[in-house]
Amino acid sequence: GNSVTQMEGPVTLSEEAFLTINCTYTATGYPSLFWYVQYPGEGLQLLLKATKADDKGSNKGFEATYRKETTSFHLEKGSVQVSDSAVYFCALIHSGNTGKLIFGQGTTLQVKP
Amino acid sequence: EPEVTQTPSHQVTQMGQEVILRCVPISNHLYFYWYRQILGQKVEFLVSFYNNEISEKSEIFDDQFSVERPDGSNFTLKIRSTKLEDSAMYFCASSGLKGTDQTFQYGYTFGSGTRLTVV
Repeated sequence: GNSVTQMEGPVTLSEEAFLTINCTYTATGYPSLFWYVQYPGEGLQLLLKATKADDKGSNKGFEATYRKETTSFHLEKGSVQVSDSAVYFCALIHSGNTGKLIFGQGTTLQVKP
Repeated sequence: EPEVTQTPSHQVTQMGQEVILRCVPISNHLYFYWYRQILGQKVEFLVSFYNNEISEKSEIFDDQFSVERPDGSNFTLKIRSTKLEDSAMYFCASSGLKGTDQTFQYGYTFGSGTRLTVV
């Protein structure tokens, strides 16, 4: 079945460090891929998306490229800030289903000043 | 920007009681969903709803759960007889703009969640 696997956290970085959170997926066909962010005590916000192979999603300095050959959608940011501390979820929607989002387990990012 | 609104933000209920969680999806969306997140765990799909009926449900969504769109604006999740393990954050979401081909592949809008605590 379809699934998403993320690197385990927590990830602890100093401010201005480079961030990578790995995400790989298993799916038949051509899923759409997403990163959602959950700040402490809040709901889920769409961070970025990519709907086809080689697309790059970007937002707020975060980027992720849809790599079909490696079935990956790694999240990167060149210089993290304390305000980026949150839980990050990788997710997919399979093109043929009812729109069910399948989430990875989430990766907690802690950025220290 | 349009929002998905959920009420209440926090509900405490006794085991065995019925609860109804309420959501107002974005008005021109077609697809509606409930997800839940047990504290510290991943977000899990419960049910999707389209054209006034359930289009898909997960194994979690057993006979204790039901959904309804009673009046064209609200979308509710009912848990008939709550158990301790139903304690979680419940998220409502909607997607799919009417009159366009922008369905769920462009992502959803989530509500801010209802924290359900069963004691």
